[in-house]
Amino acid sequence: LAKTTQPISMDSYEGQEVNITCSHNNIATNDYITWYQQFPSQGPRFIIQGYKTKVTNEVASLFIPADRKSSTLSLPRVSLSDTAVYYCLVDNTDKLIFGTGTRLQVFP
Amino acid sequence: DAGITQSPRYKITETGRQVTLMCHQTWSHSYMFWYRQDLGHGLRLIYYSAAADITDKGEVPDGYVVSRSKTENFPLTLESATRSQTSVYFCASSFSSGGSGTDTQYFGPGTRLTVL
Repeated sequence: LAKTTQPISMDSYEGQEVNITCSHNNIATNDYITWYQQFPSQGPRFIIQGYKTKVTNEVASLFIPADRKSSTLSLPRVSLSDTAVYYCLVDNTDKLIFGTGTRLQVFP
Repeated sequence: DAGITQSPRYKITETGRQVTLMCHQTWSHSYMFWYRQDLGHGLRLIYYSAAADITDKGEVPDGYVVSRSKTENFPLTLESATRSQTSVYFCASSFSSGGSGTDTQYFGPGTRLTVL
């Protein structure tokens, strides 16, 4: 299973763009990169998933370079409600392995 | 649409007692998962099931037992609870393998278990 490395925490202010980078040096050919968001006292929630290049949805963008050894989750113009823990996962098997995630704190 | 539910939401028990946490999903998802979440460890997979009567171990299966006689239910049993099993337990389900790029996992609200 590929192991991921993320910053433990990040701080931002409302209206700023936040980029969270995840390293996954041992990613396998068939692995997808998936990001989840978790608010306090709630289960994680799927944000975005990609395989290569760029993926964008209504919530975030995911940038994956050609070597796929890292990926960057981009949250445009964050608000206070984006304060949460963000998990990066890579796997192509039945099970997902969550790391400790990145705790994002958004300040007014 | 009820989605995925867990019961109880909160449970206090004593060391050595058997405890069963329930998970129920209404989507007919094939895959179901149990995670525990502790401070400093993120979420760790305990067991998962690819279909009824098919289960497999995750990262931290010791001390836990699962069964899946029906697609919609995936109970997790602590046969003899220990203090180290004090944690928040999350159940999740997905239509297909969550890591294959074809589907995502949907999580329940969690069960906060305290073992005294």
